[in-house]
Amino acid sequence: QQPVQSPQAVILREGEDAVINCSSSKALYSVHWYRQKHGEAPVFLMILLKGGEQKGHEKISASFNEKKQQSSLYLTASQLSYSGTYFCGTVDRGSTLGRLYFGRGTQLTVWP
Amino acid sequence: DTEVTQTPKHLVMGMTNKKSLKCEQHMGHRAMYWYKQKAKKPPELMFVYSYEKLSINESVPSRFSPECPNSSLLNLHLHALQPEDSALYLCASSQGVQGAVGNTIYFGEGSWLTVV
Repeated sequence: QQPVQSPQAVILREGEDAVINCSSSKALYSVHWYRQKHGEAPVFLMILLKGGEQKGHEKISASFNEKKQQSSLYLTASQLSYSGTYFCGTVDRGSTLGRLYFGRGTQLTVWP
Repeated sequence: DTEVTQTPKHLVMGMTNKKSLKCEQHMGHRAMYWYKQKAKKPPELMFVYSYEKLSINESVPSRFSPECPNSSLLNLHLHALQPEDSALYLCASSQGVQGAVGNTIYFGEGSWLTVV
């Protein structure tokens, strides 16, 4: 089941912060975050497996709520290199084949 | 090293042509995937191979034919495609055989396909 991602687009100045949300109506096994730059393949950022988990990657971090139905990606003090489309991917709890469903993506643009 | 290699990077083919996309990984991953991605859309799953056996076929038209010759290689054979099949085709792999259950899926750089 495709997760709902919001917002669709974000425009920032360098140094500003942003939050991207990803939610599902079903309990999830995991949430996967990717960034894709124009003309390139998606690049893995992080995976969250546990309810209440928080993970960080430089100035990019993410959380997974206790009910395991919602995740947020936090970008702090954004840099020009953060521009791109961010996708969350989710695996439903109980999935045996492990289908990863992607949200529609959030286009992030960082201006100098 | 999390490298998935795809060839060719760009392919232009006519609607009557037969061509193949190739993918290789040497990470010992046991699951391999084909995704299709249109502009401004998320990747869409086409096929999943686990232990070299087809485990998921997302109702993909028969003009796309996947093949997994061994645990490191994945091909996508293309025949009689339509212009609407033009897209970025992404190969990916993951360590576990249960797809994305607890496993990270790593993408190759993709093959840009144009059908004329």
